[in-house]
Amino acid sequence: GEDVEQSLFLSVREGDSSVINCTYTDSSSTYLYWYKQEPGAGLQLLTYIFSNMDMKQDQRLTVLLNKKDKHLSLRIADTQTGDSAIYFCAESINSGYALNFGKGTSLLVTP
Amino acid sequence: GAVVSQHPSRVICKSGTSVKIECRSLDFQATTMFWYRQFPKQSLMLMATSNEGSKATYEQGVEKDKFLINHASLTLSTLTVTSAHPEDSSFYICSARVEQETLAGGPYEQYFGPGTRLTVT
Repeated sequence: GEDVEQSLFLSVREGDSSVINCTYTDSSSTYLYWYKQEPGAGLQLLTYIFSNMDMKQDQRLTVLLNKKDKHLSLRIADTQTGDSAIYFCAESINSGYALNFGKGTSLLVTP
Repeated sequence: GAVVSQHPSRVICKSGTSVKIECRSLDFQATTMFWYRQFPKQSLMLMATSNEGSKATYEQGVEKDKFLINHASLTLSTLTVTSAHPEDSSFYICSARVEQETLAGGPYEQYFGPGTRLTVT
């Protein structure tokens, strides 16, 4: 399938902002998602953005989409130790379709 | 939110045996469920789409006779790894799709199970 690329690791200090980046290749992607995976738990949908949007904000989370460059980012403001997890970027070409995932970015938040 | 369970969470089996993994939507019905496979430090790769009451749709390169999928009810899909080999060792994750648009103006949401770690010795 088409590629979704993410950096594998990010470390930030508690209270700082985290920015996780993702690039994708499928120009027909309709929805782009950010999921969080914690040990022993299923993937949790954090937020999504429709491809005709540039930005979406939800409390501490801000998603930016540059459709021209096929670049997606997730900013977590005031990062907490509980935010330590693996974050997956994913895309789908239509609602309800299976998701195409990146490899995940492991976020470590240090006190 | 909706809950999806998987059973077992971990299984170790001998090479040549078969293993069944269950995926259940606990508080909602799911006509469609997806099975993914995840290798260490790799992304989730879609294996197949499971449709209640009909045959599963497999992705290219996934052997349907080796990975048997049965979606006999609206809350249960099973994945059976037949004649397992060490290279089948992986983390298997299912997701169940909600049948109505729960995200206003957004996509049909999928809920993921916690995954099953299969080790074939």
